[in-house]
Amino acid sequence: DIQLTQSPSFLSASVGDTVTITCRASQGVSSYLAWYQQKPGTAPKVLIYAASILESGVPSRFSGSGSGTEFTLTISSLQPEDFATYYCQRLNTYPLTFGGGTKVEIK
Amino acid sequence: EVQVVESGGGLVQPGGSLRLSCAASGFTFSDHYMDWVRQAPGKGLEWVGRTRNRVNGYTTEYAASVKGRFTISRDDSKNSLYLQMNSLKTEDTAVYYCARVAAATLSRHYMDVWGKGTTVTVSS
Repeated sequence: DIQLTQSPSFLSASVGDTVTITCRASQGVSSYLAWYQQKPGTAPKVLIYAASILESGVPSRFSGSGSGTEFTLTISSLQPEDFATYYCQRLNTYPLTFGGGTKVEIK
Repeated sequence: EVQVVESGGGLVQPGGSLRLSCAASGFTFSDHYMDWVRQAPGKGLEWVGRTRNRVNGYTTEYAASVKGRFTISRDDSKNSLYLQMNSLKTEDTAVYYCARVAAATLSRHYMDVWGKGTTVTVSS
């Protein structure tokens, strides 16, 4: 199975910072990758699909890039409501897999 | 309002069975693939499995960890999705989420509508 490795697993940042999360695939997944945000006690919410397409209603400070084996999620000007855990997920073949998650906490 | 609502979670002994349900509303359920995703306490997300829509033969896919023990089914007449879980293990303890797949095209195989989840605890 194709594995996804997210880095870092934890990061501490301040409101207004720009943060970047990386997701690396053990084999190429083309652009079939999505990013989700999950806040404690709630279900995940999709932010980005097809590696770089912003889901409707998601603020434009979120952006995604990459293809093949390396992807990034960038949050520009971090807001208080952005402190959460972020997951990548590949969608190209079964079984689908998620990355291990990146927890973004307030510095 | 587009939503999915899970039910059926609870406490079950190892080796036991449980059936989860997911009621969909606000969208044409029969058009969509549907997924189950779980999250063990304090852990990350784990994809459990998928059922395709009628046009694609209601075929299913499963994670290796549940294949042969879990079965996903759907009843489009009731706008409902099911997860039959047999031979349950302690490591199946998790919150189980029902999720809608955005569209059948590969670039949109992500999950765009999620329920709040139902908790399954496998313990003696």
